[in-house]
Amino acid sequence: GNSVTQMEGPVTLSEEAFLTINCTYTATGYPSLFWYVQYPGEGLQLLLKATKADDKGSNKGFEATYRKETTSFHLEKGSVQVSDSAVYFCAPNTDKLIFGTGTRLQVFP
Amino acid sequence: NAGVTQTPKFQVLKTGQSMTLQCAQDMNHEYMSWYRQDPGMGLRLIHYSVGAGITDQGEVPNGYNVSRSTTEDFPLRLLSAAPSQTSVYFCASSYSGTGRYGYTFGSGTRLTVV
Repeated sequence: GNSVTQMEGPVTLSEEAFLTINCTYTATGYPSLFWYVQYPGEGLQLLLKATKADDKGSNKGFEATYRKETTSFHLEKGSVQVSDSAVYFCAPNTDKLIFGTGTRLQVFP
Repeated sequence: NAGVTQTPKFQVLKTGQSMTLQCAQDMNHEYMSWYRQDPGMGLRLIHYSVGAGITDQGEVPNGYNVSRSTTEDFPLRLLSAAPSQTSVYFCASSYSGTGRYGYTFGSGTRLTVV
């Protein structure tokens, strides 16, 4: 069946540091790939997406590239802010959306 | 505001009680689903629906029932609550199950079963 593996957190960074959160998946077919973000006490929000190989999704300074050959969709940001502190979920979707366990990001001033 | 509305936001139940978690969306989405979120386990799919009158089981369906009589509403029923059902529940909707356009999530219902 389909599955997704995310790096375990928490990831602790200083403001303006570079961020990478790794995500790999197994899926039949060619899933759409998503990153969702959950701020404290809130539901999940769509952060970015990519629907085919080599597509790059981007939003709010975050980027992720659909790598079909390595079945990966790593999330990156060049300079994190305190306001980026949240839990990030990688989610591939074929006929249903499945989630990784989430990676908590903590950014300190 | 358009979106997914979940009620209640918080609920405490005694073991064996029943209740219904409500979910409504006003975006005319065909696809709706319920997830539970537990620490260290991410979100797990409970039930989903690809349209009115059609429902199917997800990864962890036991102890939960759903129905979809209208496009807008997708309630989740706990028939006899157990402490293992203590969790945060999220409802999500999309134009289609392929989620090509992304899913919209409600703000969640925090359920405690004592």
